[in-house]
Amino acid sequence: DTGVSQDPRHKITKRGQNVTFRCDPISEHNRLYWYRQTLGQGPEFLTYFQNEAQLEKSRLLSDRFSAERPKGSFSTLEIQRTEQGDSAMYLCASSSPGASGANVLTFGAGSRLTVL
Amino acid sequence: DQQVKQNSPSLSVQEGRISILNCDYTNSMFDYFLWYKKYPAEGPTFLISISSIKDKNEDGRFTVFLNKSAKHLSLHIVPSQPGDSAVYFCAASTGYSSASKIIFGSGTRLSIRP
Repeated sequence: DTGVSQDPRHKITKRGQNVTFRCDPISEHNRLYWYRQTLGQGPEFLTYFQNEAQLEKSRLLSDRFSAERPKGSFSTLEIQRTEQGDSAMYLCASSSPGASGANVLTFGAGSRLTVL
Repeated sequence: DQQVKQNSPSLSVQEGRISILNCDYTNSMFDYFLWYKKYPAEGPTFLISISSIKDKNEDGRFTVFLNKSAKHLSLHIVPSQPGDSAVYFCAASTGYSSASKIIFGSGTRLSIRP
């Protein structure tokens, strides 16, 4: 297993266009998370799935954002009608329990979105 | 509502000395605290965690201390090495058995100088 994969690594788009990011988690992890990170800030939680069920969504996730995880494997995050404020690094992570019982996230390298 | 705070955006430490990174939290319901390290152009990678029932956890050069009464934790790196230069994020959550999100601080950029 090569870890968490994200595609594309970098997306440049014009305001108003739709973009979709894909995440392939570690195969034995049943939890998958999406975070957004802007310059100088830590990762901000967007949403997460347990298998195919979306269990929680942040208030940050406006109705222009939608995430899916069909069949509980890979996930997609779509942003419709992009705005310049959507420019950020979108991070995907999957998780398994740590030895201590902690929820240890394994992150992908991220997909950087630039909205012109 | 910043439930996890890292008040020092940056820290510079001489190689071989101790690096101490600090983190404060507000939610007493957190069961676990984690530290992540991030290099440019990479995602954060897990370093070390601590359960709220403990006050110290050690892994090689990395030790995390938890002071529940002060709602404060710290990461000690001894001795500091050039490869430790990175951004460090503190994170908190309830445990894996309870479905929950993980909340991150804003990060501290650690620079190790020769």
